[in-house]
Amino acid sequence: AQSVTQPDIHITVSEGASLELRCNYSYGATPYLFWYVQSPGQGLQLLLKYFSGDTLVQGIKGFEAEFKRSQSSFNLRKPSVHWSDAAEYFCAVAYSGAGSYQLTFGKGTKLSVIP
Amino acid sequence: GAVVSQHPSRVICKSGTSVKIECRSLDFQATTMFWYRQFPKQSLMLMATSNEGSKATYEQGVEKDKFLINHASLTLSTLTVTSAHPEDSSFYICSAPSQGLAEQYFGPGTRLTVT
Repeated sequence: AQSVTQPDIHITVSEGASLELRCNYSYGATPYLFWYVQSPGQGLQLLLKYFSGDTLVQGIKGFEAEFKRSQSSFNLRKPSVHWSDAAEYFCAVAYSGAGSYQLTFGKGTKLSVIP
Repeated sequence: GAVVSQHPSRVICKSGTSVKIECRSLDFQATTMFWYRQFPKQSLMLMATSNEGSKATYEQGVEKDKFLINHASLTLSTLTVTSAHPEDSSFYICSAPSQGLAEQYFGPGTRLTVT
């Protein structure tokens, strides 16, 4: 069965510092991978996605993620964090089921930013 | 890009009453829609897959008689929480998949509070 692990429940960084959020997945086939961000009380916003091709993908708001098949990882990075990046971040993997793709989410990583 | 709306965004109801939540794809058709539930400080859990013109598929542990799903058209799916109880209080999010791809477009969510 597919699963997604985000080992860090809560991360605190200083504004301007670099950021890396970890994500590991377990899925037998080629994964479709996503990172979403959620502000309190809001829905999900897609940051970036990986389907195939270049393993380093660029997303919105200056985020990027690198797919490493050998490590079953899809870590999210940002070189310089802004206070507005404080939010909950979810990694997800899509798998084929019942005629459509379904998503399995990690438990999320809460990012706090110190001014 | 594709837009999914939800209505209402927030609802408070009394224990024992029923509440209907609507999910609409505004600029595309969706034969399938997904309903998720998110408890505070937790991840999204898939409740059910809504299929236009046929019965919904529920995940294990989700009561189909309590969470009624109707996918009446290619742009509308509804979730009715019947005989709501305080433990049903949660954030409910719907999504619709892109055609032929693994990406899903998420609604903004509905905050249900049962008193």
